[in-house]
Amino acid sequence: DSGVTQTPKHLITATGQRVTLRCSPRSGDLSVYWYQQSLDQGLQFLIQYYNGEERAKGNILERFSAQQFPDLHSELNLSSLELGDSALYFCASSPGIANYGYTFGSGTRLTVV
Amino acid sequence: AQSVTQLDSHVSVSEGTPVLLRCNYSSSYSPSLFWYVQHPNKGLQLLLKYTSAATLVKGINGFEAEFKKSETSFHLTKPSAHMSDAAEYFCVVSDGGSYIPTFGRGTSLIVHP
Repeated sequence: DSGVTQTPKHLITATGQRVTLRCSPRSGDLSVYWYQQSLDQGLQFLIQYYNGEERAKGNILERFSAQQFPDLHSELNLSSLELGDSALYFCASSPGIANYGYTFGSGTRLTVV
Repeated sequence: AQSVTQLDSHVSVSEGTPVLLRCNYSSSYSPSLFWYVQHPNKGLQLLLKYTSAATLVKGINGFEAEFKKSETSFHLTKPSAHMSDAAEYFCVVSDGGSYIPTFGRGTSLIVHP
């Protein structure tokens, strides 16, 4: 157990639907990162939150959004889902902003049918 | 901007022989470098990290990596492969420009008995 908890582990949904992925960071970590892993694109950075505030954005689609709550857990919302959104979504956390190292959760596998 | 290139998409070795997974990086700042491993249907586990201390870094499970600034490389090695080492390995760079970890495309390590 890495200390980063992602739920659900698996999600199957239909095109056009909306889903929410949840991440609880390791205790004491203030930064949360979201990544999408697909066969053709590899691991792509989506977005980072630090202590409740959005800090950096990567290749995140406009249909996707995220937030970090006061208890530091984070949610990634994916809407108007397309077949191409099927992927493994990882959350990682770190103590702060600098390069302390990143602890990853076990991921949420999203299948859009 | 930072980037990382993993020079081999697949590496095949026999059990008991040395392992070499190659990684080159590009960074405008002093980088931190990491190697992560992903076993099938599992999350990402940190093997080792370089954060400007000793250039030879020892990690878990007998792996080590050497930071070579002149060659912009951070190759991962292990003296003797074990069947349980078969997995996907990711080289990651994070520098002071953004502190966002950028992943290589991964190297699949195949270990033959």
